[in-house]
Amino acid sequence: KAGVTQTPRYLIKTRGQQVTLSCSPISGHRSVSWYQQTPGQGLQFLFEYFSETQRNKGNFPGRFSGRQFSNSRSEMNVSTLELGDSALYLCASSPTGRGRQGTYNEQFFGPGTRLTVL
Amino acid sequence: GQNIDQPTEMTATEGAIVQINCTYQTSGFNGLFWYQQHAGEAPTFLSYNVLDGLEEKGRFSSFLSRSKGYSYLLLKELQMKDSASYLCAPGRNTGFQKLVFGTGTRLLVSP
Repeated sequence: KAGVTQTPRYLIKTRGQQVTLSCSPISGHRSVSWYQQTPGQGLQFLFEYFSETQRNKGNFPGRFSGRQFSNSRSEMNVSTLELGDSALYLCASSPTGRGRQGTYNEQFFGPGTRLTVL
Repeated sequence: GQNIDQPTEMTATEGAIVQINCTYQTSGFNGLFWYQQHAGEAPTFLSYNVLDGLEEKGRFSSFLSRSKGYSYLLLKELQMKDSASYLCAPGRNTGFQKLVFGTGTRLLVSP
């Protein structure tokens, strides 16, 4: 089974531009979560999508948005880029997001997209 | 809200045992994950504890005490390839998949 794939792997943009990142989950996985990772802040949750609906959101400004398609592929968009948006953006997929008795299913991470904002 | 505390960095030698602690304060706690992340790579799953106690998986074990808000990851017979960051992530019972990760503990294993 193929793992989680993310495109592009590396991206360089300038302030004020916008960017769209793509994530293809493991086949059969319906939950996709997005995280931002920076050296200072660690791994921070952006949002989670399940069956094309955003059902959880982290504390990020409205410039960060996402969506999920019927085939479970997901995209995230960042508008009006700022220097502080430079980070590794990780996508993780999970079968349903919720296991037996309310426990969690393991999340499988993609290799990430390294975004540099100049 | 959620607070997660784990040491920033630890060092150990090959063949040794190391314990990485994680304390957390999480409303609606519902299980805790440990992930390993090598530099420049994606995090990979190590363990998930829901109930109190120790879960052993080869050289790695993870312990959870829900009443104390405490977990640790125990790595035995350390190998150079164990040099990585170890991320503690308590889950919240919001009904959905929302994990908040600690900043991670960077483990350096020396010969």
